[in-house]
Amino acid sequence: RKEVEQDPGPFNVPEGATVAFNCTYSNSASQSFFWYRQDCRKEPKLLMSVYSSGNEDGRFTAQLNRASQYISLLIRDSKLSDSATYLCVVIPPSSKVTFGIGTKLQVIP
Amino acid sequence: DAGVTQSPTHLIKTRGQQVTLRCSPKSGHDTVSWYQQALGQGPQFIFQYYEEEERQRGNFPDRFSGHQFPNYSSELNVNALLLGDSALYLCASSGDRGFQETQYFGPGTRLLVL
Repeated sequence: RKEVEQDPGPFNVPEGATVAFNCTYSNSASQSFFWYRQDCRKEPKLLMSVYSSGNEDGRFTAQLNRASQYISLLIRDSKLSDSATYLCVVIPPSSKVTFGIGTKLQVIP
Repeated sequence: DAGVTQSPTHLIKTRGQQVTLRCSPKSGHDTVSWYQQALGQGPQFIFQYYEEEERQRGNFPDRFSGHQFPNYSSELNVNALLLGDSALYLCASSGDRGFQETQYFGPGTRLLVL
């Protein structure tokens, strides 16, 4: 089993739709989780950290489910500018940062 | 406030050659991490430098080595290049809590090995 798994997509959604991505991780002792956004041929940029209690930033909501070992990202009211690849990041006890393969989102007019 | 900078932006090498990539961290950051991102993949952690020492290392062979200077800038060296080393090499900087701090990425160096 891979340390971090994501569905690579692509997810093609219409503008205004709600879309959710999941990311599963194998090491139950992992402590830190993040979502990054990467535009085509650009560097990754932090979208949000993921806390046990869940957190929200505008149209974006991140949640952690420790029992099932996954994190999720929910995007409401999708915009064309949300089109990008969304990378989940898990930091296990070894502190070796592990990125998922990324999920590609394409928001369609 | 300058962000993370990397040089060069693009590089073409042939198999067996050696390459050095450079990174300057964001102002106020003292920790530098290097990643390799192959096409269609997520970034893979190579190593992290803090206080001029390699603090963590991913699953990369010894052909990949690095250095951090007193001004916190860093170099990534790859010897005996293979075709499979073709990738985007990303540098990320953070504060001294390492991975617990937000990492800021540079624009990357695109390496093509022929």
